[in-house]
Amino acid sequence: GDSVTQMEGPVTLSEEAFLTINCTYTATGYPSLFWYVQYPGEGLQLLLKATKADDKGSNKGFEATYRKETTSFHLEKGSVQVSDSAVYFCALSPGGTSYGKLTFGQGTILTVHP
Amino acid sequence: GAGVSQSPSNKVTEKGKDVELRCDPISGHTALYWYRQSLGQGLEFLIYFQGNSAPDKSGLPSDRFSAERTGGSVSTLTIQRTQQEDSAVYLCASSLELAAAGELFFGEGSRLTVL
Repeated sequence: GDSVTQMEGPVTLSEEAFLTINCTYTATGYPSLFWYVQYPGEGLQLLLKATKADDKGSNKGFEATYRKETTSFHLEKGSVQVSDSAVYFCALSPGGTSYGKLTFGQGTILTVHP
Repeated sequence: GAGVSQSPSNKVTEKGKDVELRCDPISGHTALYWYRQSLGQGLEFLIYFQGNSAPDKSGLPSDRFSAERTGGSVSTLTIQRTQQEDSAVYLCASSLELAAAGELFFGEGSRLTVL
């Protein structure tokens, strides 16, 4: 079945540091890929998405590129802020007749210190 | 409302009791989803609705779990004869339509604790 593997956390960085959170996936067909973020005390929010190979999703300074050859969708940000402290989830949607059946990674806790 | 609303936000119950969790999706969203978030299992898909119909119930953990949606709006997730392993945060999400699957809008969840 489909699966998503994220780098284990927690990740602790200083403000303005470079961030990478690795995500790899296993899926049949042509899934769509997503990064969701959960800020403290809030619900999950879509951060960015990519629906086909070589697409780059971006939002709030975060980027991720859909790499079919390496089955990866790594999240990057050039300069993190304290307000980026949250839990980040990589996810895939198989599409086809499996609408809404997202498969999530385990989540990576990011803490950014001033 | 402006976002997905879930109630109760916290529920503590005794083993063996039944519980009902409610979800009010974003107005106009035709698709509604239930997920469960627990320490040991991460985020698990439970069920989704397109309108009032639930084409895929494969994620429901056992026959003690059921869900319904009426009027294409509010949904209720019912857990009968709760067990301690049912303790988790139950998340509801909605999307404008199934074609937008993956672009889900989540509520803050209902935290269930079974003693």
